[in-house]
Amino acid sequence: DTEVTQTPKHLVMGMTNKKSLKCEQHMGHRAMYWYKQKAKKPPELMFVYSYEKLSINESVPSRFSPECPNSSLLNLHLHALQPEDSALYLCASSQARTAGGPGQLLVGEQFFGPGTRLTVL
Amino acid sequence: AQSVTQLDSQVPVFEEAPVELRCNYSSSVSVYLFWYVQYPNQGLQLLLKYLSGSTLVKGINGFEAEFNKSQTSFHLRKPSVHISDTAEYFCAVSVVNRDDKIIFGKGTRLHILP
Repeated sequence: DTEVTQTPKHLVMGMTNKKSLKCEQHMGHRAMYWYKQKAKKPPELMFVYSYEKLSINESVPSRFSPECPNSSLLNLHLHALQPEDSALYLCASSQARTAGGPGQLLVGEQFFGPGTRLTVL
Repeated sequence: AQSVTQLDSQVPVFEEAPVELRCNYSSSVSVYLFWYVQYPNQGLQLLLKYLSGSTLVKGINGFEAEFNKSQTSFHLRKPSVHISDTAEYFCAVSVVNRDDKIIFGKGTRLHILP
């Protein structure tokens, strides 16, 4: 199974709502990623989890809260979003570097999910 | 810091004609290079990657790319395109030993003309 799944496919929410995006993979990958992609733009990295620990936060506003409950699941909790947060949110996964240090293990290819199209009203 | 420049935002090409999508990168350290494709309303899919070794890399769907270190380029080519190749193509770079972070170029839209 080389698939990353994301739910929901589409989400419309108001600025006062709380919602969550979900991502799942069963490839045994221990690194998972959240990206934000605006129309006609490249993906922008938001967060990276490695071995269920947050390893990279690209200065994302606190209204976005990631969570990695286990090695197969990645959530993105949304609260008090702004209309400019409307975008395609992509999840990805890959092998992770050997625990304990940089090592020589290549992270390798990131496998992307189909994304969640988020509209904030 | 690393950066990726895709020189063309759009490339129109007739079906069955060859195509080249250009990509240049900037980095003071060793990098890995990637080409990803994004079909409409979908996520990204890896076309090919250069990690080390042979500078000519072959990928899926008949695409290939050549790593040129002296010109810091990684151009993507296909000898004969099909209507199904219509998509957005992203060149990307990551730093060796820090390769959990990928930096994408702005993308090139390949538009296949009938």
